Amino acid sequence: KQEVTQIPAALSVPEGENLVLNCSFTDSAIYNLQWFRQDPGKGLTSLLLIQSSQREQTSGRLNASLDKSSGRSTLYIAASQPGDSATYLCAAPSIYNTDKLIFGTGTRLQVFP
Amino acid sequence: EAQVTQNPRYLITVTGKKLTVTCSQNMNHEYMSWYRQDPGLGLRQIYYSMNVEVTDKGDVPEGYKVSRKEKRNFPLILESPSPNQTSLYFCASSSGTAPPGANVLTFGAGSRLTVL
Repeated sequence: KQEVTQIPAALSVPEGENLVLNCSFTDSAIYNLQWFRQDPGKGLTSLLLIQSSQREQTSGRLNASLDKSSGRSTLYIAASQPGDSATYLCAAPSIYNTDKLIFGTGTRLQVFP
Repeated sequence: EAQVTQNPRYLITVTGKKLTVTCSQNMNHEYMSWYRQDPGLGLRQIYYSMNVEVTDKGDVPEGYKVSRKEKRNFPLILESPSPNQTSLYFCASSSGTAPPGANVLTFGAGSRLTVL
């Protein structure tokens, strides 16, 4: 069974720190991987989409990397701010049916002033 | 504004009383999908639709029905809700004919359902 795992489940850091969120997946043949942000009481917002042929994607202070051989993706947040506080989820299409996305359970990030 | 709209946002109902959660998108997206989110289990796909009149089961379809009569709408129907369907529900859509994982998913704000 294909799985996507995120550790840690929660993370609390002071403002200004650079931090890394981890996402592990069980099958290296994934089509791509997406990172999402979820704010309390709101839906998910797509942050970055990395295709299988790419190794990383950048958007502002966010950088996501993809290492299919090791089954890992990381989301790097530079100079964290309190506004970055949210739950971050990663998701990959099922290798058995790419119409389905498999989500990790998320990392709840709190950035305190 | 491009968006996915879900209604109702909050609902408390009783076991067995049929309900419908509506989902509408204004982006002319082909792909639409329903997810439920539960603590410790993450988001799980209920049903999805690649286009009008085309629907397929996700990972947890039991107890749910969907329809896709129009491109913009994808309602989720609970014919006889039970307490284990208490959850936070999300509708999402994406464009293109490529696998939806290849395109950015746009999510609705969520519908919190409680079944007593």
